[in-house]
Amino acid sequence: QKEVEQDPGPLSVPEGAIVSLNCTYSNSAFQYFMWYRQYSRKGPELLMYTYSSGNKEDGRFTAQVDKSSKYISLFIRDSQPSDSATYLCAMSDGNSGGSNYKLTFGKGTLLTVNP
Amino acid sequence: SQTIHQWPATLVQPVGSPLSLECTVEGTSNPNLYWYRQAAGRGLQLLFYSVGIGQISSEVPQNLSASRPQDRQFILSSKKLLLSDSGFYLCAWSVWEVGETQYFGPGTRLLVL
Repeated sequence: QKEVEQDPGPLSVPEGAIVSLNCTYSNSAFQYFMWYRQYSRKGPELLMYTYSSGNKEDGRFTAQVDKSSKYISLFIRDSQPSDSATYLCAMSDGNSGGSNYKLTFGKGTLLTVNP
Repeated sequence: SQTIHQWPATLVQPVGSPLSLECTVEGTSNPNLYWYRQAAGRGLQLLFYSVGIGQISSEVPQNLSASRPQDRQFILSSKKLLLSDSGFYLCAWSVWEVGETQYFGPGTRLLVL
């Protein structure tokens, strides 16, 4: 079983739709969760960051973490063509006291929002 | 605010030629630095990370090497490129105080012919 699973898509939705992007993970030690947005031929940019379980909202974006199910989600409301990109989930156990400074990434979901 | 630079943006190199990609970070001190490669359909592969000057950890055995000659400078090198080295190379930085969040540079697209 891979440490982080993410449906690669592609996912195509009409403008204005609600988009749900998801990742599952197997390592119960993960406690920091991130979503990155990557436009074609660009570096990933941090979109959302959450610690432990719960919800976090930022404008049209909501990140959810359910540690009991080892499941995280990113919701995009009123999706726009400018949201068309690849979305990567990432997570960490935050154990920088040791030698582990690494993030574990999903492979990304390609989203297209059609006008 | 912090800024991360990578150059060149695009590079086409023949097989067997050397490689040097550079990454610099501005606006922060003592960052952790990372080199990733992103190949189509394969996600982000961590190649090297560094927690300080001269301190390099390698994640994947390969013909690439990394160096950190200054606090905010990270260099990816190869003596002889292989076709399989083609890909999108990303540099990233993090600071522990923000919970391992990594911030990426614009990337270098490398094509080995």
